[in-house]
Amino acid sequence: AQTVTQSQPEMSVQEAETVTLSCTYDTSESDYYLFWYKQPPSRQMILVIRQEAYKQQNATENRFSVNFQKAAKSFSLKISDSQLGDAAMYFCAQRPQEAGGTSYGKLTFGQGTILTVHP
Amino acid sequence: NAGVTQTPKFQVLKTGQSMTLQCAQDMNHEYMSWYRQDPGMGLRLIHYSVGAGITDQGEVPNGYNVSRSTTEDFPLRLLSAAPSQTSVYFCASSSWYTEAFFGQGTRLTVV
Repeated sequence: AQTVTQSQPEMSVQEAETVTLSCTYDTSESDYYLFWYKQPPSRQMILVIRQEAYKQQNATENRFSVNFQKAAKSFSLKISDSQLGDAAMYFCAQRPQEAGGTSYGKLTFGQGTILTVHP
Repeated sequence: NAGVTQTPKFQVLKTGQSMTLQCAQDMNHEYMSWYRQDPGMGLRLIHYSVGAGITDQGEVPNGYNVSRSTTEDFPLRLLSAAPSQTSVYFCASSSWYTEAFFGQGTRLTVV
């Protein structure tokens, strides 16, 4: 079974500062993807960043970067130079990476972390 | 550039009523799925499909029905709505090499 745990229900950060959101996971798969999704008040699910488990290099997307620790099954998201528009619910998720199988679309989500950005 | 189109955005049902949430994608993705989002529980998988004519149950399938007659469409049916089905519902599509793309969500209230 796959599980994803986000232990921080809420986090806050000052504008222009850096914040790190935590995520741990468990899986029996050898190959898998990890994701961070952002959900603003509009309810839309927006991909922030993705990481292939076989890649040792941490993914980055502009102000967003991850710290992927495969052995520890940890996948934290760092937001640098926080902006008011970063305020949202953030979900960590994982899914198997298997071409031709039937499980590759099964996302397992964490409980979510609400991020507040103070001006 | 529609992506995943999900309707309606809001719905109020009375207990025992039935309804269908519509989902369509134009990216030729083989994989489609339905999730429900409840406070403190993240998103949980209801049903999924790996192609036309193939569906299977996810984590919380009871009270829901799906079918997939085409690659593009994957409707979710509530057979007899219950207050426990009050939630936000998301449709998603993906390929094995892509992330999931989500519809805009449906806020369903069952009274």
